[in-house]
Amino acid sequence: DTAVSQTPKYLVTQMGNDKSIKCEQNLGHDTMYWYKQDSKKFLKIMFSYNNKELIINETVPNRFSPKSPDKAHLNLHINSLELGDSAVYFCASSHLQGTGELFFGEGSRLTVL
Amino acid sequence: AQSVSQHNHHVILSEAASLELGCNYSYGGTVNLFWYVQYPGQHLQLLLKYFSGDPLVKGIKGFEAEFIKSKFSFNLRKPSVQWSDTAEYFCAVRGAGSNYQLIWGAGTKLIIKP
Repeated sequence: DTAVSQTPKYLVTQMGNDKSIKCEQNLGHDTMYWYKQDSKKFLKIMFSYNNKELIINETVPNRFSPKSPDKAHLNLHINSLELGDSAVYFCASSHLQGTGELFFGEGSRLTVL
Repeated sequence: AQSVSQHNHHVILSEAASLELGCNYSYGGTVNLFWYVQYPGQHLQLLLKYFSGDPLVKGIKGFEAEFIKSKFSFNLRKPSVQWSDTAEYFCAVRGAGSNYQLIWGAGTKLIIKP
């Protein structure tokens, strides 16, 4: 069983389109995250939810909207895609007050043409 | 503000060479420290972590790291690298009372020549 699973793994789309990435974790964690990894491998936290509540909301364009229907799911919707949105998006989960260890999904590679 | 600095962006070594990747952080209080590895085309995985106790921490695949509080450092070491260690290595720090947020270094790309 995959602990943190993301779909889709690959997304190729045109500028201006809207797309979503879904994430699910079966580790019983209470906190989930979205990270963006650019072409230079730099990791940037975007959002974090703890028990469905937004706790980290970094400086990210409004076109990015996370949604957490329950603590095992965290989705990311992106409106009006731009070239600069091309990246690998990683979902992760953890126990907020535990060891702090993050468990990552396999990533969703988004390419905007 | 907290920050994490990884000194080398790229490291190239031959197989069997010894490895040390530097990581320094800025945070004055109690910290939790992590090294993650990302193999080509894969997701990040935990290599090792430090919370308390023995400052020399052993991780998977023969890696270890030493927490030196006075130097605000948590360097990663391996006595003899293998071609399969080619990967990106990330240091991360979480300060106690910091809203539990992990602060990440920029990563070090390690290439092992066979």
